[in-house]
Parts: sequence; C-alpha cells; structure tokens
Amino acid sequence: DIVMTQSPDSLAVSLGERATINCKSSQSVLNSSNNKNYLAWYQQKPGQPPKLLIYWASTRESGVPDRFSGSGSGTDFTLTIRGLQAEDVAVYYCQQYYRSPRTFGQGTRVAIK
Amino acid sequence: EVQLVESGGGLVQPGGSLRLSCAASGLSFSDCWMNWVRQAPGKGLEWVANIKQDGSEKYYVDSVKGRFTISRDNAKNSLYLEMNSLRAEDTAVYYCASGSYYFKYWGQGTLVTVSS
Repeated sequence: DIVMTQSPDSLAVSLGERATINCKSSQSVLNSSNNKNYLAWYQQKPGQPPKLLIYWASTRESGVPDRFSGSGSGTDFTLTIRGLQAEDVAVYYCQQYYRSPRTFGQGTRVAIK
Repeated sequence: EVQLVESGGGLVQPGGSLRLSCAASGLSFSDCWMNWVRQAPGKGLEWVANIKQDGSEKYYVDSVKGRFTISRDNAKNSLYLEMNSLRAEDTAVYYCASGSYYFKYWGQGTLVTVSS
C-alpha cells in the first residue's frame, strides 16, 4: 500500500497569514503516461463529511476559493492556504488514487493563532 | 443538488452483522464508481471498498476482505455495504462517496458502533 504522511500534524496561523501543509507519499503517484499526479486534498470541518478541495494535485474543485492551492509532483506535495480565514479552521487530508487501496494522510489540523 | 444519504448504522455486538445503505439523488448514479469510506472516532479517513458502475468490479481494503460486501442497485440509485463478523475496530462513521479516483460527493455518514 502507498503510505501518505502529512506534516505537520497541526499548525496555528494568524488570520490573513499563509498556512502550508505537506504530504509525502511512500512511492511516486505520478503517472508518466499522462503526466498527472494522482493526488487529492480534502477539508473536513467538525461534524461534517470531508469536502474535496483539490485533485490532480493542483486542480481546484469548482467553488473552492482561490486562496487554496496545491502543488508538487512525484512524492512530495503541498497544500497552501493564502490569507487564512476563520472558516478555514479544519482538518486537511491528502489522498492518493494512483493505486488501490486508496489511502489518506493522517490529517493536519489548522487552527487560528 | 447531489445528495447521498446513508442509513443502517447502529449498535451491534462483536461478531454481529449490519447492512448499510446509501440513497443517491441528483447525480447519474449508474455512471459513477461508488465507495465506502470510514472514520473511527477522533481518527482519520480510511477507504473501505468501491464498486464499478455496473457492479462487475469490487475492491476492498485488506482489513475487511471476506467480512464486508459492497453492492449496488442502479434501478434504486442505492449503494450497500453488508458487514459481517464485526469487530470493535470497525467502529466508525461510514460515508458513501462517489468517484473512481478522488471523491467528489460525500454523504453525511452513519455511525456504526461495535460493542458488547
């Protein structure tokens, strides 16, 4: 199985500042035949199901604010939240879909400093 | 508006069985791979199983193989998860989610508690 490891486990950021979450996969999730990274990011607020933010590592889902961006390739990926808002307090997960079983990172909790 | 509504959760004793359902609306259900994803209390997300549009392919995480069975009824726009030989470690909120790769739509989840 592909193991997904996120860092840090939690972080506190001041309103309006940048939050950066890292995700590392135990093997590459880049498909060389189509040059796509099989990596998604989700946001989960308390008591709610996860919400898809980013897929193909950097494609923002419809309706997701542009302060959320994804980057990276191969085994190392980053979710950046520029200008953190109060409503961004949540746990964020990365997920690989290059191989089955689909696997998630352990989650990163984002709080307001 | 897409809606996925899970039902069937509850309290069950270790070794018992439970059948979860997910009713879908607002999407072309028969065109979608469907999944079950679970989340133990206070823990992260774990993909459990998925099923192809026509039900011809099914995949499971190792920890549930031989105990859980995923199925679907496209005429009823419904997804199911038959869970047998339940263990304490199966205690979780179970979500149904659409998508063959990433999971675009999610239900609100149904809680399964395995305890004596």
